[in-house]
Amino acid sequence: EADIYQTPRYLVIGTGKKITLECSQTMGHDKMYWYQQDPGMELHLIHYSYGVNSTEKGDLSSESTVSRIRTEHFPLTLESARPSHTSQYLCASSRSGNEKLFFGSGTQLSVL
Amino acid sequence: GESVGLHLPTLSVQEGDNSIINCAYSNSASDYFIWYKQESGKGPQFIIDIRSNMDKRQGQRVTVLLNKTVKHLSLQIAATQPGDSAVYFCAETKYQAGTALIFGKGTTLSVSS
Repeated sequence: EADIYQTPRYLVIGTGKKITLECSQTMGHDKMYWYQQDPGMELHLIHYSYGVNSTEKGDLSSESTVSRIRTEHFPLTLESARPSHTSQYLCASSRSGNEKLFFGSGTQLSVL
Repeated sequence: GESVGLHLPTLSVQEGDNSIINCAYSNSASDYFIWYKQESGKGPQFIIDIRSNMDKRQGQRVTVLLNKTVKHLSLQIAATQPGDSAVYFCAETKYQAGTALIFGKGTTLSVSS
């Protein structure tokens, strides 16, 4: 079992709210990622980080932002949630030089 | 853009049968491939990987085959069990190049008893 944790597991909020999805890993991995996944569909990379104070946007355009102040923590923030943000958000991490990703259980976000 | 794709969105098999899940990739620069299994309500879980210097790699009840000539990847599951029911994704990248994994569309495997 990989030691990567996401909270909350489920979140239902109203339009316009600011939310932060938490992701923490205890493996000391340098690389961390956020993927967005609609039901039964492929994963789309929205943000990644190769270390502290390093963040990059992924292939899928996203209105979210991320920060990496500590190695183990990679939160994702939506300043103003909209129904189009309804999706599952998966956090992952990997060791530098190794592309094998370990995933958290995901946050299922529903914006009403 | 270039992407990794799967041939079939769903596959139904009987318990005990062998399952074959296929994946076609288009980026000839990719040299590292991973298969993930995702059960309902969970994040993807690593199954097996293969580098492009290999054609075949075996794990416990699983085998991955890589055909670089036709850019084809397959996952074989021997003696499929109900617990194998899940969505299976292939992913590709350029090994140690600092590029993130690109995931293909998943195949939903349903195993009936």
